[in-house]
Amino acid sequence: GEDVEQSLFLSVREGDSSVINCTYTDSSSTYLYWYKQEPGAGLQLLTYIFSNMDMKQDQRLTVLLNKKDKHLSLRIADTQTGDSAIYFCAETSNTGNQFYFGTGTSLTVIP
Amino acid sequence: NAGVMQNPRHLVRRRGQEARLRCSPMKGHSHVYWYRQLPEEGLKFMVYLQKENIIDESGMPKERFSAEFPKEGPSILRIQQVVRGDSAAYFCASSPRREGSPLHFGNGTRLTVT
Repeated sequence: GEDVEQSLFLSVREGDSSVINCTYTDSSSTYLYWYKQEPGAGLQLLTYIFSNMDMKQDQRLTVLLNKKDKHLSLRIADTQTGDSAIYFCAETSNTGNQFYFGTGTSLTVIP
Repeated sequence: NAGVMQNPRHLVRRRGQEARLRCSPMKGHSHVYWYRQLPEEGLKFMVYLQKENIIDESGMPKERFSAEFPKEGPSILRIQQVVRGDSAAYFCASSPRREGSPLHFGNGTRLTVT
């Protein structure tokens, strides 16, 4: 399968910005997604970006895509304690059946 | 509009018993994916099904695991003769499988094998 990699842990202070990074290997990736998982729950879709876009902004969330380097990032502005969760990036192509997920980044927000 | 429904939320089985996990996709979604999540690990793809068809089962263990998505009723992930290593959270996701459509996840079934 394709590799999707994320760092495992990130810790930020409340009010600061968080940046969660993701790298992938599939050059045919068409759509890239960010999901949030809170304890004991399933994955909640946060946002997604089509591969012909460089950036997408949605309220406090900014997604940046560097297709040349196969690098995706999620920036959370004014991080709150309620943002503490595990964040997964995922990618799929329009020719494939599978969605490939990273290992998840555990974000801890310190009050 | 109900989301993806999984039941039970928690399932305890003794070694050697069978576990049956159910998933009802979102209304209008005909594609179902099953994933397994072990503690401190990411999501591992298991199987992708459409109604009455298994499209990709490359992530399913060769023995003891099976999945179905009948014409009527929920998708079922079945684990026979469970072992302790099967203890995990099992997530179902559904999609209408239009281009770019994301997966929508249920809250998972947490299987504990004692």
